[in-house]
Amino acid sequence: QKEVEQDPGPLSVPEGAIVSLNCTYSNSAFQYFMWYRQYSRKGPELLMYTYSSGNKEDGRFTAQVDKSSKYISLFIRDSQPSDSATYLCAMKGPGGSYIPTFGRGTSLIVHP
Amino acid sequence: NAGVTQTPKFQVLKTGQSMTLQCAQDMNHNSMYWYRQDPGMGLRLIYYSASEGTTDKGEVPNGYNVSRLNKREFSLRLESAAPSQTSVYFCASTLHGTNTEAFFGQGTRLTVV
Repeated sequence: QKEVEQDPGPLSVPEGAIVSLNCTYSNSAFQYFMWYRQYSRKGPELLMYTYSSGNKEDGRFTAQVDKSSKYISLFIRDSQPSDSATYLCAMKGPGGSYIPTFGRGTSLIVHP
Repeated sequence: NAGVTQTPKFQVLKTGQSMTLQCAQDMNHNSMYWYRQDPGMGLRLIYYSASEGTTDKGEVPNGYNVSRLNKREFSLRLESAAPSQTSVYFCASTLHGTNTEAFFGQGTRLTVV
């Protein structure tokens, strides 16, 4: 079992839908939780990050972390065709454990 | 501000050939990384350099070597390319090893035939 599990999709939704992307993990030492967005044939870009448990909101995007369940989510409200991309979760531990572990990425398609 | 620049963007090699992938960042970052991305496998760390003068193996180092030439540049070398090394290679950098945000280059698409 990989340390970070993420369904690769693809996930296809109509424009305007609420999208939920999720990752589960097994390493309880993870404290930093990140979401990267990767457009086709581009490098990943950091979208959001959260420290420890809780929620974080940025515009149409909300990141949630539930450490008790070892489960993180990214919600996209009012999804747009421009949100079509691969979304990768990443996590890392404290201190010297700074190398992030990435999920496989979920491919999202928002159709008009 | 260019960020992280990788060269070349595309490359086709024959089995057994060697090549070096170049990476340079202009953000004065201390830590640099090489990843490969394969369908269904996500990003896997090949090598990283926590700071100038140090390099360490990642998850999948076999068949690769790296050089941290200076603070800006981190190269990845394939000494004898194999078809299993067909992949998209990404270079990334962070201000420090503990810094959350990694900045990625555009990637190098390598095909080994």
